[in-house]
Amino acid sequence: KQEVTQIPAALSVPEGENLVLNCSFTDSAIYNLQWFRQDPGKGLTSLLLIQSSQREQTSGRLNASLDKSSGRSTLYIAASQPGDSATYLCAAPEFTSYGKLTFGQGTILTVHP
Amino acid sequence: EPEVTQTPSHQVTQMGQEVILRCVPISNHLYFYWYRQILGQKVEFLVSFYNNEISEKSEIFDDQFSVERPDGSNFTLKIRSTKLEDSAMYFCASIGGQSYEQYFGPGTRLTVT
Repeated sequence: KQEVTQIPAALSVPEGENLVLNCSFTDSAIYNLQWFRQDPGKGLTSLLLIQSSQREQTSGRLNASLDKSSGRSTLYIAASQPGDSATYLCAAPEFTSYGKLTFGQGTILTVHP
Repeated sequence: EPEVTQTPSHQVTQMGQEVILRCVPISNHLYFYWYRQILGQKVEFLVSFYNNEISEKSEIFDDQFSVERPDGSNFTLKIRSTKLEDSAMYFCASIGGQSYEQYFGPGTRLTVT
């Protein structure tokens, strides 16, 4: 059974800082991993999808890495902005289930001006 | 850009009533999912659906829940007799294509009183 843990639970940084969000998963037999953003009371916006054959994926100021052997993924946010304030969720599938995602608890990010 | 849509955005119902939550997945997607998120908790998998049948369901998805794809576009989640603990945000998601990226709808907030 896949279990996903995210550290830290919350993070507060001044605008402009580079930051790293961490995700670990127990079942390394994954075919991809997704990072999502969730604003309060809203839905899930997919930020990045990393395939198991990739080590990194980039979109704008976001960079996600994947290390299957150690069961870890990181989301790097460069030059953070107040608009980045949200909850960031990591989700990993189970190899034996098609598409079923297991989510972490999320990291609540606050970027203050 | 194609997106998953859900209706209603907010549903208030009394305990014991039946509710139907509606989703329109992305048109060429073949795998469909329901997840829920109780306030302050993780996003949890409920059920996956492929080829007009349930592929997998979680322990949460008991006899009170059912899913249906009544036509070529809609995907519904029915809760037969709602309980207070069913109050949550319910998300629909779908997968299509080689990337297996999962796309989520904006959610339906269900409040059971």
